[in-house]
Amino acid sequence: GAGVSQSPRYKVAKRGQDVALRCDPISGHVSLFWYQQALGQGPEFLTYFQNEAQLDKSGLPSDRFFAERPEGSVSTLKIQRTQQEDSAVYLCASSPTLDSGNTIYFGEGSWLTVV
Amino acid sequence: AQSVTQLGSHVSVSEGALVLLRCNYSSSVPPYLFWYVQYPNQGLQLLLKYTSAATLVKGINGFEAEFKKSETSFHLTKPSAHMSDAAEYFCAVRRQTSYDKVIFGPGTSLSVIP
Repeated sequence: GAGVSQSPRYKVAKRGQDVALRCDPISGHVSLFWYQQALGQGPEFLTYFQNEAQLDKSGLPSDRFFAERPEGSVSTLKIQRTQQEDSAVYLCASSPTLDSGNTIYFGEGSWLTVV
Repeated sequence: AQSVTQLGSHVSVSEGALVLLRCNYSSSVPPYLFWYVQYPNQGLQLLLKYTSAATLVKGINGFEAEFKKSETSFHLTKPSAHMSDAAEYFCAVRRQTSYDKVIFGPGTSLSVIP
């Protein structure tokens, strides 16, 4: 597709359940980002990949959060033993090169509700 | 460390009136600056960006922003608001390096009154 694609768009999880969120970046994009956006707030950085290498995971809130991009394209964000405070929109974004001046293209997000 | 503040979490303007959304940044090194718009249930779309060329940057949908280093500001303006401009607007900063994460402000919700 032409843009960043995320699935599922909506997920309701029971507390304690594990979830996996998928991101298909724009084809050929080197950089991939995950952000968490709580209701009424700005996006908060979670992690960054350059191809398959996870170069920055400083924003992951706990060791329950894990991200991977094994072949340098599709990425998965996994949340183990979900808690209510994990309820948020998870945004994936990609950028063509490493240049910080490049535009970052965002997907529509995966809305996670933990009940 | 970098940060972004957006004065006014909610702004209301009349249709046809000037739109002014404020953004101030803090950065220890020269920054790149961005404005993104988010419509309900959608992702973020880039409106415009400052990358060290012209200080007055023109973007999509008639928006523009001016980088003022002395004021550490990057305010977003549009001369005449349309109903379709109602959305959430985020200012963001990023260091001018080979890689850096984008830091977003808390956002300003713009309402346009008919």
